[in-house]
Amino acid sequence: QKEVEQDPGPLSVPEGAIVSLNCTYSNSAFQYFMWYRQYSRKGPELLMYTYSSGNKEDGRFTAQVDKSSKYISLFIRDSQPSDSATYLCAMRGSGGYQKVTFGTGTKLQVIP
Amino acid sequence: DAMVIQNPRYQVTQFGKPVTLSCSQTLNHNVMYWYQQKSSQAPKLLFHYYDKDFNNEADTPDNFQSRRPNTSFCFLDIRSPGLGDAAMYLCATSRRNQETQYFGPGTRLLVL
Repeated sequence: QKEVEQDPGPLSVPEGAIVSLNCTYSNSAFQYFMWYRQYSRKGPELLMYTYSSGNKEDGRFTAQVDKSSKYISLFIRDSQPSDSATYLCAMRGSGGYQKVTFGTGTKLQVIP
Repeated sequence: DAMVIQNPRYQVTQFGKPVTLSCSQTLNHNVMYWYQQKSSQAPKLLFHYYDKDFNNEADTPDNFQSRRPNTSFCFLDIRSPGLGDAAMYLCATSRRNQETQYFGPGTRLLVL
């Protein structure tokens, strides 16, 4: 079993839809949770960064962490064609050096 | 703008011919990372530098080496590229081990 599982998609939605992207993980030591957006043939770009459980909102993006279920989500409201990209979840533990573990990414396509 | 720069963006090499990829940063971050990312896969950490301290991942092949001559620059050397080394190579930086990683645009390597 992989430490981080992420549905690869592709996920196609119409413009304006609410998008839900999810990851599950098995390592209970993970404390920091990130979402990166990666456009085709580009490097990942940090979108959201959260610590432990709870919600964090930034514009149209909301990140949720449920540590009891080992489940994290990224919601995108009013999705736009420019949101079409691959979304990678990432996570790590705390204390000293902790390697970041990435999911394989979910490819999202927003249809105009 | 402070950023992570990778050169070249595309590199074509021949089987067995050494190749060097470069990364520079204007963020003045202590830590620099090299990742390998193959299509539809999660980025795989090869190694990282904390200042001048080199940290190799246990499963990184000996064929991959790195140099960090100063804070701003880091190089990835592939001594004898094989067809399986064709991938996107991502450089990332963070201020300290525990902090957010910022990625460059990547170098796409093709091995003929």
